[in-house]
Amino acid sequence: DVKVTQSSRYLVKRTGEKVFLECVQDMDHENMFWYRQDPGLGLRLIYFSYDVKMKEKGDIPEGYSVSREKKERFSLILESASTNQTSMYLCASSSTWTHTDTQYFGPGTRLTVL
Amino acid sequence: GESVGLHLPTLSVQEGDNSIINCAYSNSASDYFIWYKQESGKGPQFIIDIRSNMDKRQGQRVTVLLNKTVKHLSLQIAATQPGDSAVYFCAETLSGNTGKLIFGQGTTLQVK
Repeated sequence: DVKVTQSSRYLVKRTGEKVFLECVQDMDHENMFWYRQDPGLGLRLIYFSYDVKMKEKGDIPEGYSVSREKKERFSLILESASTNQTSMYLCASSSTWTHTDTQYFGPGTRLTVL
Repeated sequence: GESVGLHLPTLSVQEGDNSIINCAYSNSASDYFIWYKQESGKGPQFIIDIRSNMDKRQGQRVTVLLNKTVKHLSLQIAATQPGDSAVYFCAETLSGNTGKLIFGQGTTLQVK
């Protein structure tokens, strides 16, 4: 079974803090994704990566950056957290670049910024 | 622009009945569609997918129907069980979109 893990289930941070969300997948997948999920807005793509050290902006990249130094690990970084970044963050991975490859999701990190 | 929507935010069904969850999409170029299930406190879980060259696909207790004429997708769950209670999302993508999915907002299925 594909396993996608996220470093924290719940996180509380203060405005202005630098926040790191970590995601690890164990299936040697090429693609990794970061989404945020908000009531009434569904899942929105923040960034994705199709290879080590490669990244592409999604639909809402502002205020975020990412890092992929190793194939299995994809980090989402909030340089200076703000209250409007309070959300559920979901990481996903898929096998290859092919658009029909299934995306497998982690359990999510619920981030609260005070 | 592209959008994927679900007709109803909440659907309540009796245990043992069949459930039908609907989804409309607007991009006629989309050629791959997926249904995900998200239980409370968990990430979305893949249920079933369908390509645009098909109009029906069956899994275990689930069936996805695709009507390209009216750009409509539905998920049918047979003999709904309490464990089916969750939020269901449809998603679409298209060739050349490099795996980027467009998600609908979700329908909450409540099993009574």
